[in-house]
Amino acid sequence: GAVVSQHPSWVICKSGTSVKIECRSLDFQATTMFWYRQFPKQSLMLMATSNEGSKATYEQGVEKDKFLINHASLTLSTLTVTSAHPEDSSFYICSAKAAGTTHSNQPQHFGDGTRLSIL
Amino acid sequence: GEDVEQSLFLSVREGDSSVINCTYTDSSSTYLYWYKQEPGAGLQLLTYIFSNMDMKQDQRLTVLLNKKDKHLSLRIADTQTGDSAIYFCAESQDDKIIFGKGTRLHILP
Repeated sequence: GAVVSQHPSWVICKSGTSVKIECRSLDFQATTMFWYRQFPKQSLMLMATSNEGSKATYEQGVEKDKFLINHASLTLSTLTVTSAHPEDSSFYICSAKAAGTTHSNQPQHFGDGTRLSIL
Repeated sequence: GEDVEQSLFLSVREGDSSVINCTYTDSSSTYLYWYKQEPGAGLQLLTYIFSNMDMKQDQRLTVLLNKKDKHLSLRIADTQTGDSAIYFCAESQDDKIIFGKGTRLHILP
């Protein structure tokens, strides 16, 4: 149980294109989803926290107009990288927290990540 | 300084034990975690320990927690080639998980 599906797993596109990444909780409802960015050989950096039906909370230094997050349902959150440029190339990982979870042994379930390459 | 610190690399011979160390800063963390990331993949929760525990063992994995020193370690017994990955130490802070930079475990034949 507790599977998070992230799509696409790899995307290559031209500079200036907008790219949408989907994060779905397949067998549970997720009131909260998280978006992380990981640079090569680096840790995961939390970009934003996405709550169903409300605006996302962005971490300091993350441009909200650049990284648009929508969490329209309890099973889907999307991250859109607008007008992507080569410096946006990275590995993006989402995670989802099950509804009703407070502190637990696994508060977040992770997707397999999306590798974004901007040419 | 960083919230969670860990060494970046560890090389271990196959069959030996691997010990990955981590220090954290938030004494109010309820849970501390070890995640495994294989190349090009997402994160897999390996094990966790509740903050009022000193030790947890799960098959080949042993987690030791020294809350006074805010030190966490992961021991992998009988290390296999399939254990080659990046291991992230993490602490819970409210709804968030704060990750260390990860320790790349390399297995020597």
